[in-house]
Amino acid sequence: AQSVTQLGSHVSVSEGALVLLRCNYSSSVPPYLFWYVQYPNQGLQLLLKYTSAATLVKGINGFEAEFKKSETSFHLTKPSAHMSDAAEYFCAVTLSGTYKYIFGTGTRLKVLA
Amino acid sequence: ETGVTQSPTHLIKTRGQQVTLRCSSQSGHNTVSWYQQALGQGPQFIFQYYREEENGRGNFPPRFSGLQFPNYSSELNVNALELDDSALYLCASSLTGDAKNIQYFGAGTRLSVL
Repeated sequence: AQSVTQLGSHVSVSEGALVLLRCNYSSSVPPYLFWYVQYPNQGLQLLLKYTSAATLVKGINGFEAEFKKSETSFHLTKPSAHMSDAAEYFCAVTLSGTYKYIFGTGTRLKVLA
Repeated sequence: ETGVTQSPTHLIKTRGQQVTLRCSSQSGHNTVSWYQQALGQGPQFIFQYYREEENGRGNFPPRFSGLQFPNYSSELNVNALELDDSALYLCASSLTGDAKNIQYFGAGTRLSVL
């Protein structure tokens, strides 16, 4: 069965600093992986997705993630944090032919001025 | 904006009551999935509807039920509400039921059970 682990329920970075949000997955076959962002009182917005093409995936708002099969990881990064990046971030895993996403417990990103 | 709309945005019910939540999917999408997001948690899959049929279900009791209509809009019904049902309920639509297709989420309905 698939699962997702997000290390660090809360991450704080200074404005302009590197953002690194960690996601490790468990899957017996190559998965599809997604990062979503949730702003307060809003639904989830897709940042980027990995569906077995290029291992380095670029998303919206300057975010990117690298699929590393050997480490079963799909960490989200952004070179320079902006105040508007403060939100909760969710990693999700799924498999082709299945119908549901399995989400991690989320990481709340705080950006300090 | 994803084009997925949910109503109502907030709802307060008492234990034992029944509730119906509604979702309009994005144009062209025939699949709707429902998720429950408890405070401080990630969304948990409830069930999915594809072309008006239930396509899969998560680990939720039968008092959670749903419908999908010919226009692909959907309802989530919860009977005999319990305090633990308090959560944000998210609806997501996608092109088909295959999970490789992106799910587009609405803003959710926040349900409080007192």
